[in-house]
Amino acid sequence: RKEVEQDPGPFNVPEGATVAFNCTYSNSASQSFFWYRQDCRKEPKLLMSVYSSGNEDGRFTAQLNRASQYISLLIRDSKLSDSATYLCAVANSWGKLQFGAGTQVVVTP
Amino acid sequence: ETGVTQTPRHLVMGMTNKKSLKCEQHLGHNAMYWYKQSAKKPLELMFVYSLEERVENNSVPSRFSPECPNSSHLFLHLHTLQPEDSALYLCASSQGVRDEPQHFGDGTRLSIL
Repeated sequence: RKEVEQDPGPFNVPEGATVAFNCTYSNSASQSFFWYRQDCRKEPKLLMSVYSSGNEDGRFTAQLNRASQYISLLIRDSKLSDSATYLCAVANSWGKLQFGAGTQVVVTP
Repeated sequence: ETGVTQTPRHLVMGMTNKKSLKCEQHLGHNAMYWYKQSAKKPLELMFVYSLEERVENNSVPSRFSPECPNSSHLFLHLHTLQPEDSALYLCASSQGVRDEPQHFGDGTRLSIL
């Protein structure tokens, strides 16, 4: 089993709609969780950290479910500019980050 | 200005060449990383430096040789690479190695002929 798994997608989302996707992790001792956004042929950019109580940043909401060992990202009111690949990253107790392969989101007009 | 700068942006080299990738971070961070990203694969951690000391070498072939002269600069020296080494090489930095998000440079797209 991979340490961090994501549905590769693509998730095709009409503009203005809501999309959500998960990232599962295998190490129950994982300490920190992040969502990154990566545009085609560009570097990953930190989107948001994921806190135990869940957190929101504008149209983006991140949740952590420790019991089921997954994190989620929800995007409300999708914009064309939200089209990208979303990478989750999970840190173990030593701080080593493991990345998922990414979920591709395509927002269509 | 980006906080993490990588040069060159693109590099094409033959298998017998020797070249170096450079990374500089302007964020005052203490940890720096090299990652490899191949198409449709997760980011692969290669090396971690914390306060200029290598703290992780993730079973990377010896044809890749990192160097960290100070906490702001990181190099990846390349020699005798193979075609399967063609990938995007990303440098990242963070405040510490625990619980801190990493910030990435633009990457160097490397092609081995």
